[in-house]
Amino acid sequence: GAVVSQHPSRVICKSGTSVKIECRSLDFQATTMFWYRQFPKQSLMLMATSNEGSKATYEQGVEKDKFLINHASLTLSTLTVTSAHPEDSSFYICSAYSSGGAETQYFGPGTRLLVL
Amino acid sequence: DAKTTQPPSMDCAEGRAANLPCNHSTISGNEYVYWYRQIHSQGPQYIIHGLKNNETNEMASLIITEDRKSSTLILPHATLRDTAVYYCIVSGSSNTGKLIFGQGTTLQVKP
Repeated sequence: GAVVSQHPSRVICKSGTSVKIECRSLDFQATTMFWYRQFPKQSLMLMATSNEGSKATYEQGVEKDKFLINHASLTLSTLTVTSAHPEDSSFYICSAYSSGGAETQYFGPGTRLLVL
Repeated sequence: DAKTTQPPSMDCAEGRAANLPCNHSTISGNEYVYWYRQIHSQGPQYIIHGLKNNETNEMASLIITEDRKSSTLILPHATLRDTAVYYCIVSGSSNTGKLIFGQGTTLQVKP
């Protein structure tokens, strides 16, 4: 299957700082990427849809000014958590569409964020 | 809200087939049925998907009922490494391909 990477795999930061998470499709071009958040013992929650060259579409209840998404190329989307607080501590996962065949999303390994 | 219903948990003996059911009675004509699984602290892994025909790949088989209101994922010979949360999701172009995750089924493969 197609490969999606995320960097960093885990990050610890101080409250009030910003953290950038990268999502890359390694062997295919992804016009659309998705960002999810997962709290312990819960399912994945979709945060936003990231389209190359246009503004992201955020799900209801997700603050667009706090979670900045940039999809500058067909292989890279970034999520920046601005002014992070302890309640933002979570597992952040991205996914990307593979261009071949029927629409199929492939997921990255996730980034674990801990805000102190 | 997720448009599928799955049992919260299931057990399976190692080496036996694991049959995971999913109800999706409100599925529309252009929506696919996708199955993903998530092993602890990892990103979801794509398993298989289908529209109306049964599908098989190296990982699993997907059986979709004729009315498309339910499906079953079959892992033919479960191993301990198949222990994971399995998600059944319906999605299509009508919702821009978004995957809305429900609670899934926690499959525990036991020796």
